[in-house]
Amino acid sequence: GAVVSQHPSRVICKSGTSVKIECRSLDFQATTMFWYRQFPKQSLMLMATSNEGSKATYEQGVEKDKFLINHASLTLSTLTVTSAHPEDSSFYICSAWGSGDSYEQYFGPGTRLTVT
Amino acid sequence: GNSVTQMEGPVTLSEEAFLTINCTYTATGYPSLFWYVQYPGEGLQLLLKATKADDKGSNKGFEATYRKETTSFHLEKGSVQVSDSAVYFCALKDSGGSNYKLTFGKGTLLTVNP
Repeated sequence: GAVVSQHPSRVICKSGTSVKIECRSLDFQATTMFWYRQFPKQSLMLMATSNEGSKATYEQGVEKDKFLINHASLTLSTLTVTSAHPEDSSFYICSAWGSGDSYEQYFGPGTRLTVT
Repeated sequence: GNSVTQMEGPVTLSEEAFLTINCTYTATGYPSLFWYVQYPGEGLQLLLKATKADDKGSNKGFEATYRKETTSFHLEKGSVQVSDSAVYFCALKDSGGSNYKLTFGKGTLLTVNP
């Protein structure tokens, strides 16, 4: 099946710095990718829809200037958490629908961000 | 708008017990329905899916039937194993639109004891 990777798997950064998380579709092209945030013991919250070659679509309440999304190619989307604060600490997961398959969304393994 | 309501856990069972995790949904049209599983520290994996009414999705001993009349998609397994311990998410994809967003339930933590 299709594979989505994320890098890094874990990152610790200091408050005020920026962190970039990469999401790659390894064996298929993804014109649309999704970014989720998951708090401990809670469900996934969709943050934004990343569209290749155009601006991301953010969900209500998500700060677009804080969570910068770039989808520069059909296999790579990046999420940059700018000026990170401890409350941004979370598990970030990306996903993409398989190429030509609208019935399975493939998820990355997630990135654990800790802001100290 | 779309919504998914699933049984809140945690659910704790002994090995070989029968499992049911309830899931009901609200959606316009004819959504596709999914169960995803998340093992500790990992992303989500698709467990099974059903794309139309009366379809039964099955995988690894788990089953769920798309019931349009009751707007439900309950997950069942006849005999759970310790390795089934994970968080299970029910989700739906709307039949309309072009960006294929998934709407998730809150997740149910399952712990299976030996």
